[in-house]
Amino acid sequence: DAKTTQPPSMDCAEGRAANLPCNHSTISGNEYVYWYRQIHSQGPQYIIHGLKNNETNEMASLIITEDRKSSTLILPHATLRDTAVYYCIVRPRYNYGQNFVFGPGTRLSVLP
Amino acid sequence: DTGVSQDPRHKITKRGQNVTFRCDPISEHNRLYWYRQTLGQGPEFLTYFQNEAQLEKSRLLSDRFSAERPKGSFSTLEIQRTEQGDSAMYLCASSLAPRAVPDTQYFGPGTRLTVL
Repeated sequence: DAKTTQPPSMDCAEGRAANLPCNHSTISGNEYVYWYRQIHSQGPQYIIHGLKNNETNEMASLIITEDRKSSTLILPHATLRDTAVYYCIVRPRYNYGQNFVFGPGTRLSVLP
Repeated sequence: DTGVSQDPRHKITKRGQNVTFRCDPISEHNRLYWYRQTLGQGPEFLTYFQNEAQLEKSRLLSDRFSAERPKGSFSTLEIQRTEQGDSAMYLCASSLAPRAVPDTQYFGPGTRLTVL
């Protein structure tokens, strides 16, 4: 699976948009970009995934660059409850049970 | 959909004791995964099942660890002769496995093990 690189930490003011970047320069054409987050002492929570088009759901938006070498997770109006570690993961489209490979992620702190 | 559940949520044991954790996946999910997470690190894969068959095991899964999923529903993870290095959060995830798209894994709340 392609490797991802994320900044170790970021701050965001409450009510503002949080933009979390992820580099995945070795991604291949059949690999999806997944985002999870983990609030302290809880299990990882699925946020969103995409292949090449931008995606939006009730939690967030995922913007993938045209060359697919990087992506940005956008939380449009961050709240204190969005404080968590955010993981960007690349995973093959066709897979037969491969596990997710988690890196250290980005620790997002939403500040009042 | 009640989500993935794990029991117990916390376990404190003495070194050398055996412990067993249970995971109940989302109903009808045919894949079930176990991960381990130590402080400050991302989750690390241990093993996974498709229905009742255990299809992959990580090198992290020493011979003191055993996992089962006897009827393709809930799963148990047993650690024998626990060591202090086994202290971690043990996470379970489940997914429904179509072949056309990657399976999205949904995680439980985890079981935090402390070995004294």
